[in-house]
Amino acid sequence: DAGVIQSPRHEVTEMGQEVTLRCKPISGHDYLFWYRQTMMRGLELLIYFNNNVPIDDSGMPEDRFSAKMPNASFSTLKIQPSEPRDSAVYFCASSLVGGNYGYTFGSGTRLTVV
Amino acid sequence: AQSVTQPDIHITVSEGASLELRCNYSYGATPYLFWYVQSPGQGLQLLLKYFSGDTLVQGIKGFEAEFKRSQSSFNLRKPSVHWSDAAEYFCAVGASGSARQLTFGSGTQLTVLP
Repeated sequence: DAGVIQSPRHEVTEMGQEVTLRCKPISGHDYLFWYRQTMMRGLELLIYFNNNVPIDDSGMPEDRFSAKMPNASFSTLKIQPSEPRDSAVYFCASSLVGGNYGYTFGSGTRLTVV
Repeated sequence: AQSVTQPDIHITVSEGASLELRCNYSYGATPYLFWYVQSPGQGLQLLLKYFSGDTLVQGIKGFEAEFKRSQSSFNLRKPSVHWSDAAEYFCAVGASGSARQLTFGSGTQLTVLP
């Protein structure tokens, strides 16, 4: 298995632009998680899905953030409009039976908003 | 809600020396516990996990961790550190039962001196 695949690896965008981050989970995994990592706040859970259904989005910082999972093999995290404070590394992770068996993380997308 | 504390932000050891990274958790019942490692520019990789049973668990890359309920700790150890172990290490806790998401500590950065 290729693991969790995220794209792009790096994204530089101007403030106000829309940004879309993509994730392909491991085939057969029924949970998908989006995390954000910053120096100041560490790893923060933004949202997670079970069988493509959003379960908990309480970590989404603002309405500018949205996430979808149209099918079991694809998820997106969108920021519109983007702001400099959104600059971070965004990780996608997937697992079986929730986090209780450990996640498999993607390599992350480093987002820079200028 | 569960929480994790990693009291050491940065640890430096010499190659060949032993290593212990500390992790304390807060959770009302028996937690699920994990250690992850993150190399620069990479996602998090699962080192080991504890669910129940033997309190000393073995992981990949020669790491082990011991669950001590009385101390609410899950410290990571390695008898002899290699230069390639330099990375950031994260402890995480998951609630047993129906909860799905993991809570991560703030991480410990490990530097290995030649």
